[in-house]
Amino acid sequence: DAGVTQSPTHLIKTRGQQVTLRCSPKSGHDTVSWYQQALGQGPQFIFQYYEEEERQRGNFPDRFSGHQFPNYSSELNVNALLLGDSALYLCASSLVSDEQFFGPGTRLTVL
Amino acid sequence: GDSVTQMEGPVTLSEEACLTINCTYTATGYPSLFWYVQYPGEGLQLLLKATKADDKGSNKGFEATYRKETTSFHLEKGSVQVSDSAVYFCALTASAGTASKLTFGTGTRLQVTL
Repeated sequence: DAGVTQSPTHLIKTRGQQVTLRCSPKSGHDTVSWYQQALGQGPQFIFQYYEEEERQRGNFPDRFSGHQFPNYSSELNVNALLLGDSALYLCASSLVSDEQFFGPGTRLTVL
Repeated sequence: GDSVTQMEGPVTLSEEACLTINCTYTATGYPSLFWYVQYPGEGLQLLLKATKADDKGSNKGFEATYRKETTSFHLEKGSVQVSDSAVYFCALTASAGTASKLTFGTGTRLQVTL
């Protein structure tokens, strides 16, 4: 049984560009959450999707948007990239009221 | 708002030494508390959890007790191994159900040497 998978593993972009990160949840999971982990810091909650709707949102600007597909996979989009967006982006999947399982993350570098 | 405070690292211990990583929290209501571990180059793994006051979570020799009176959830292990070297994060969810958003501390790096 595959766990949570994320793609790509690494990504390099320049300021002002847009990026899309992808997440496939663990089999049977219907809820996907996204976190941003800056170097040396703990993960910060971006948002959570359930039944293709944004269920909760953290304190991130509108440049951060997402989507959940009918197969429960999810995308995180970031527009107008800033240097400060450089981080490890973690996806976590779960059933709506259960433990969250994390993927290995996508390392985004903004130059 | 909700917050988690952890002791700063790195914590460097010799193999078989005792470990304590302090964690305190601020939250309204009755949070659930967690310890996650992050090995180099990997995502987060749930190490243990406790969902109500006086509960003790345990796994792989690690333990933590939910202390409501001191708002603490300290991680302990009696004898660490080199393989325990990782970054440890204390976290909480303030809403019922563990799928609610997690609020993390800044992490504590543990280095265990022979």
